[in-house]
Amino acid sequence: EDQVTQSPEALRLQEGESSSLNCSYTVSGLRGLFWYRQDPGKGPEFLFTLYSAGEEKEKERLKATLTKKESFLHITAPKPEDSATYLCAVHPSGSARQLTFGSGTQLTVLP
Amino acid sequence: GAVVSQHPSWVICKSGTSVKIECRSLDFQATTMFWYRQFPKQSLMLMATSNEGSKATYEQGVEKDKFLINHASLTLSTLTVTSAHPEDSSFYICSARVGGPSYNEQFFGPGTRLTVL
Repeated sequence: EDQVTQSPEALRLQEGESSSLNCSYTVSGLRGLFWYRQDPGKGPEFLFTLYSAGEEKEKERLKATLTKKESFLHITAPKPEDSATYLCAVHPSGSARQLTFGSGTQLTVLP
Repeated sequence: GAVVSQHPSWVICKSGTSVKIECRSLDFQATTMFWYRQFPKQSLMLMATSNEGSKATYEQGVEKDKFLINHASLTLSTLTVTSAHPEDSSFYICSARVGGPSYNEQFFGPGTRLTVL
């Protein structure tokens, strides 16, 4: 069974304090791994898609990396506006199912 | 690009009534749309996959007769919660896939908060 586990569940950082969020996954084959940002009461906002181990993508203060077992979302010098829940999802290959989501990491950046 | 809208953004209804939620892709055509449900502080749970011009595919445990999905055009899918009860209160989110089956990226709507009294 496909599984996605995100850690930590919650993370509080001071403004400027860099850190990483983890997404561990178990799938029979990976068609793609996705990172989304979700603000309270809103739908998820697409951030990145990663397709193969070793791939990296960057957007402003965020950088996503992928290995064969996990993905990291690195946040460099975060600002309060980066506070949100970050969701990881996988699209297994050879399956009719679509995205399987992790439970998310709730990030709070304090000024 | 890749904007998805939902209407209404929130709705309050009495138990036993039906509620329709619309999901539209504003600047692209979506042959496939997805409906999710999210409870407070939990992740998204896929309810069904909606394909234009054909019947929706429901996930295990989702009642087809309770959650009616219609994907009548390439830009519109609707979810109707029939005979709603308080336990149906939740945050419903749709998404649309950009491109054909070989593309994976899904873009999400802003969600609809349903409260059943």
